[in-house]
Amino acid sequence: AQSVTQPDARVTVSEGASLQLRCKYSYSATPYLFWYVQYPRQGLQLLLKYYSGDPVVQGVNSFEAEFSKSNSSFHLQKASVHWSDSAVYFCALSIPGNTGKLIFGLGTTLQVQP
Amino acid sequence: AQTIHQWPVAEIKAVGSPLSLGCTIKGKSSPNLYWYWQATGGTLQQLFYSITVGQVESVVQLNLSASRPKDDQFILSTEKLLLSHSGFYLCAWSPDNTEVFFGKGTRLTVV
Repeated sequence: AQSVTQPDARVTVSEGASLQLRCKYSYSATPYLFWYVQYPRQGLQLLLKYYSGDPVVQGVNSFEAEFSKSNSSFHLQKASVHWSDSAVYFCALSIPGNTGKLIFGLGTTLQVQP
Repeated sequence: AQTIHQWPVAEIKAVGSPLSLGCTIKGKSSPNLYWYWQATGGTLQQLFYSITVGQVESVVQLNLSASRPKDDQFILSTEKLLLSHSGFYLCAWSPDNTEVFFGKGTRLTVV
């Protein structure tokens, strides 16, 4: 069965520091991969997506993610975080050609300290 | 541009009472539609999906039902709420089973 693992439930970084949020997936082939962000009491916003091709994908607000087939990973990165980046980040996968069902990880809460 | 509107924003309902949540997607014909549920502090789980009017597939059994009465409308309902129904309900759409876009959600508290 397909699954997504986000090993860090909570990450705390200082403003201006670099960030990496980890995501590992389990699927026999290459899935579609996504990162979503959820601000308090709000819906999910798509940060970036990977379908195929260049393993490094750029997203909104200077986020990027790198796909690694060998490691079954799709880590999210940002060079310099801002306090407004504090939110919950979800990694998700879907199966190409399927119904568009997203399988989510448990999420990582990011707290950016001033 | 496409927009997705969910209603209501929040509900407080009694155990055993009925529930109806809705969403409307504008700017896209024949979207794929989804209902997701997020328990408080938890991850998201797909409940239903629909690829066309009148057809809804259940993914998880939670004593809820869904309907798609119009191309742009998706309704989630139940006749009797349980405490376990509390959480955050998100309607979502996709143009083609790739990217999925979410509404702002409805927060449901069952008391």
